[in-house]
Amino acid sequence: GESVGLHLPTLSVQEGDNSIINCAYSNSASDYFIWYKQESGKGPQFIIDIRSNMDKRQGQRVTVLLNKTVKHLSLQIAATQPGDSAVYFCADSTGANNLFFGTGTRLTVIP
Amino acid sequence: DAGVIQSPRHEVTEMGQEVTLRCKPISGHNSLFWYRQTMMRGLELLIYFNNNVPIDDSGMPEDRFSAKMPNASFSTLKIQPSEPRDSAVYFCASSLGTRFEQFFGPGTRLTVL
Repeated sequence: GESVGLHLPTLSVQEGDNSIINCAYSNSASDYFIWYKQESGKGPQFIIDIRSNMDKRQGQRVTVLLNKTVKHLSLQIAATQPGDSAVYFCADSTGANNLFFGTGTRLTVIP
Repeated sequence: DAGVIQSPRHEVTEMGQEVTLRCKPISGHNSLFWYRQTMMRGLELLIYFNNNVPIDDSGMPEDRFSAKMPNASFSTLKIQPSEPRDSAVYFCASSLGTRFEQFFGPGTRLTVL
């Protein structure tokens, strides 16, 4: 089955710096990718998504990059703020299947 | 819209008791998902419905778990009998189709003593 994994379980960054959270997927047929943010005590919240016909997509302070050659996905957060501290999940989908979530990366922003 | 609604938010029960978790998806969404989240196993998909029909229940741990969706606005996840290893946060999510963004509820924190 599909497998979505994360390179780093934890990431600490200084407030104001940029954050990069990485994710690897194993199924070359995956064609839809999504990033979620989960704050303590809350459910995951959608951040940004990207389809396989794109390499890059930008949102408000966030950018998702997709490298299909190496099956790698990244989430870049510009000017990281304390409110960005959370666990970030990537997920992928293939065809008409549901999303498969990775294990998550905990981002800690140091004031 | 109030988003996905789950109840109860917290449930503490004793081993062997029946537990029923409830979910109201966002109006108009036709797909509903039940997840379980633990520190050890992360976020696991248990089952999902499309147009009230169960599509994939391969993630349901065992026969003690069952889920129903009698109509488009309500779903339940039942554990009978419950065991301490069922302790987790259970999330319900809904979406427009199985591949669109999923909107998660606040979760139900279940503790089985």
